[in-house]
Parts: sequence; structure tokens; C-alpha cells
Amino acid sequence: DIQMAQSPSSLSASVGDRVTITCQASRDISNFLNWYQQKPGKAPKLLIYDASKLETGVPSRFSGSGSGTVFTFTISSLQPEDIGTYYCQQFDNLPLTFGGGTKVEI
Amino acid sequence: EMQLVESGGDLVQPGRSLRLSCAASGFTFDDYAMHWVRQVPGKGLEWVSGISWNSGSIGYAGSVKGRFTISRDQAKNSLYLQMNSLRAEDTALYYCAKGRLPRVFLETIEYWGQGTLVTVSS
Repeated sequence: DIQMAQSPSSLSASVGDRVTITCQASRDISNFLNWYQQKPGKAPKLLIYDASKLETGVPSRFSGSGSGTVFTFTISSLQPEDIGTYYCQQFDNLPLTFGGGTKVEI
Repeated sequence: EMQLVESGGDLVQPGRSLRLSCAASGFTFDDYAMHWVRQVPGKGLEWVSGISWNSGSIGYAGSVKGRFTISRDQAKNSLYLQMNSLRAEDTALYYCAKGRLPRVFLETIEYWGQGTLVTVSS
């Protein structure tokens, strides 16, 4: 199975701050990497697919980059509504696997 | 509007069986891969199983292989998860989820339902 190491596990930042989350795959997954946001009590929501493509309707302050084994997710200017937990997920091979999550607080 | 509505979650004793259902609407169900993903409350996400648009490709997590069976009924726009020999560690919120691209199996999970809770306890 492909392991996804996500860091940090939690962070606290101020409104307007730039926030960066990293995900490292245990082997090369090309760009088969997604980022999801999960707000408390809600289902996950797709934000970024194929490592860097913004899902329709998602604000442009969210972005993703990387390929191979190291990926980065960035919120350029943190907003109050961005609190929640963010997960990376690979779809290069079965089983699909997720990172452990990053809880973002303000 | 796209909708996925899970049902069938319950409190069940270890070793017993349970069948989850997911009713899909708002898209052409026949064309998309579907998945089950679970989450222990307060913990992370774990992919459980996936099935291609035509049921030709199926996959399971190692933790459920041999105990769980995924299936779909195109006529009823429904996805199912038959769970046998349930264990305490299967306790979780189970999400039904849809693939992003038509007629592709191994790809992005685009949309999730709200989940149904399975509790395995004596």
C-alpha cells in the first residue's frame, strides 16, 4: 500500500496568513493526488485534484503543487470559513489511501 | 442537484452482518465509479471499497477483504455494501462517494454523501 505522510497534524494561524500543508507519498504517484477539506460534522469536499487543478467553485486562494512523492497545499490568505481538517489522498493505485489530516484552527 | 443518501447503519453485535445502501440521484449513475469510505468519529479517512461503472473492476481495503462485498444496481441507481463478520474496529461513519470522471475506475473521488453510522458492540 502507498503510505501518505501529511504534516503538520495541526496548525493555528491568523486570518490573512499563508498556510502550507505537505504530503509525502511512500513512492512515486506522478500527479495522482487530491486535497479535501472537511468541516466539523460534514462530509469531505474536493478542493484540488490531479495535484494542482482547482475544483469548480473552489476559491482561488486554495492551490496545490508537486509531483512524484512530495506535494504541497496552500491557502494564500486564511479566512475564518477555512477552519477544518484537510486531507491529501492518492489515486495512483489501490487501495486508495489518505494522509492523516491537518487540523487548521484560527 | 447531485445527491447521495446512505442508509442501513445500525448498532450490531460482533460477528453479525449488516447491509448498507446508497441512493444516488442528480447524475447518470451508470457512468461513474462508486466508493465506500469510512471514518471513525474524530479520526481520519479510510477507503473501504470501490466498484467501476459496469461492476467490472472492484477493490477492497485489506482490512475488509473477504468480509465485505460491494455491489451496485443500475436499475435502482443504488450502491450497496454487504458487511459480514463485523468487528469492533469496523465501527465508523460510512460514506458513499462518487468518482469524478465517467467510465474511469481509478481516479478522483469527487462527491460524498453525509454518511451512515455503524456501531459494532456487544
